[in-house]
Amino acid sequence: EAQVTQNPRYLITVTGKKLTVTCSQNMNHEYMSWYRQDPGLGLRQIYYSMNVEVTDKGDVPEGYKVSRKEKRNFPLILESPSPNQTSLYFCASSLAGVLNEQFFGPGTRLTVL
Amino acid sequence: SQKIEQNSEALNIQEGKTATLTCNYTNYSPAYLQWYRQDPGRGPVFLLLIRENEKEKRKERLKVTFDTTLKQSLFHITASQPADSATYLCALNYGQNFVFGPGTRLSVLP
Repeated sequence: EAQVTQNPRYLITVTGKKLTVTCSQNMNHEYMSWYRQDPGLGLRQIYYSMNVEVTDKGDVPEGYKVSRKEKRNFPLILESPSPNQTSLYFCASSLAGVLNEQFFGPGTRLTVL
Repeated sequence: SQKIEQNSEALNIQEGKTATLTCNYTNYSPAYLQWYRQDPGRGPVFLLLIRENEKEKRKERLKVTFDTTLKQSLFHITASQPADSATYLCALNYGQNFVFGPGTRLSVLP
């Protein structure tokens, strides 16, 4: 089944404790992206990747890191999480970028205390 | 400043009627505009994509229009059903970025 998977689905952590949210797709898509969704602010793009070893900032990259060492994986790294990073996070992929539909993962609900 | 607006935060309509949702943008020149459906607690699901040189796109009961002069897209659901109740998001490209609107929560009342 074609899908985007994220892990973990739920995470409660404390300020400053490094964490990684994994994202994987099995559709051989070139483009992958991370979003956060907050009430009243909608979906905002954090980082995106056009292909392996190519990443670019979205609208809200501060406090986040990503890497794209393999085509299928695009982990999101929070080196020193803070409470303002409490949010619902979505990973997405598309075949070749903005001219194609995006497939979204199920979401990761992160709480930073 | 750059902005995407969707007509209203919430829209209630009667079953069987046509729902019309609006997406307006300022200071963007998108080549592509997409519409997604999102159910509570789940990731958005793609519905339709329309290109800047296309006026209209249809898929079953869905229709999207794109007016680059007015900087507006309209999304129509005809013969609406309670199962169409969800939040609908428009998204446009800004270079290789995707930018999403805030969404409209549609409720179709039986």
